Amino acid sequence: SQQGEEDPQALSIQEGENATMNCSYKTSINNLQWYRQNSGRGLVHLILIRSNEREKHSGRLRVTLDTSKKSSSLLITASRAADTASYFCATVPLYSAGSYQLTFGKGTKLSVIP
Amino acid sequence: NAGVMQNPRHLVRRRGQEARLRCSPMKGHSHVYWYRQLPEEGLKFMVYLQKENIIDESGMPKERFSAEFPKEGPSILRIQQVVRGDSAAYFCASSPADLGYGYTFGSGTRLTVV
Repeated sequence: SQQGEEDPQALSIQEGENATMNCSYKTSINNLQWYRQNSGRGLVHLILIRSNEREKHSGRLRVTLDTSKKSSSLLITASRAADTASYFCATVPLYSAGSYQLTFGKGTKLSVIP
Repeated sequence: NAGVMQNPRHLVRRRGQEARLRCSPMKGHSHVYWYRQLPEEGLKFMVYLQKENIIDESGMPKERFSAEFPKEGPSILRIQQVVRGDSAAYFCASSPADLGYGYTFGSGTRLTVV
């Protein structure tokens, strides 16, 4: 599997429910970032978590990072129809060379049903 | 304070033609990155440029693809003699430095080769 793989590939929930997406990666990282992509649009940065952090919050978003398991999760609480989008995790490697390269997973397609 | 501007938004080319994709970074950003997104896939790094310099082109196909970021004007991703497999969304991102964070993405150029 590739660096930054999201799970599940697709998720459908009712408005008001919580949505949890997971991301696994292979190599040591400097940081991990989550992005949202609405259909046919560009990427919007949601949140960044550094390798020495375990949890971070931003509004209705909660991100956790477990470096021992090389995994992260994104929780969206009280989902809204407007949260319908694809969500990608992206990692930045720890080593200095190539530390600017984001490695993306294939994403989780979230559908929030009104 | 405009974000990253990419044009055109959509580009249709016949096989064998050339495609030119433009990217103007955010004001104050001197680092530009190009990514390609195939259907139902995550983004893949192609090239990293600073003004008049290609820093890392390890993700670029060896033939037909080139990129530049001149002293004046936008960054250009050029694809010569396009083939059907080049059909994808091409995203540009910019950052104020190569710190591994602070990226802003454009809305992308969707290239269709017919």
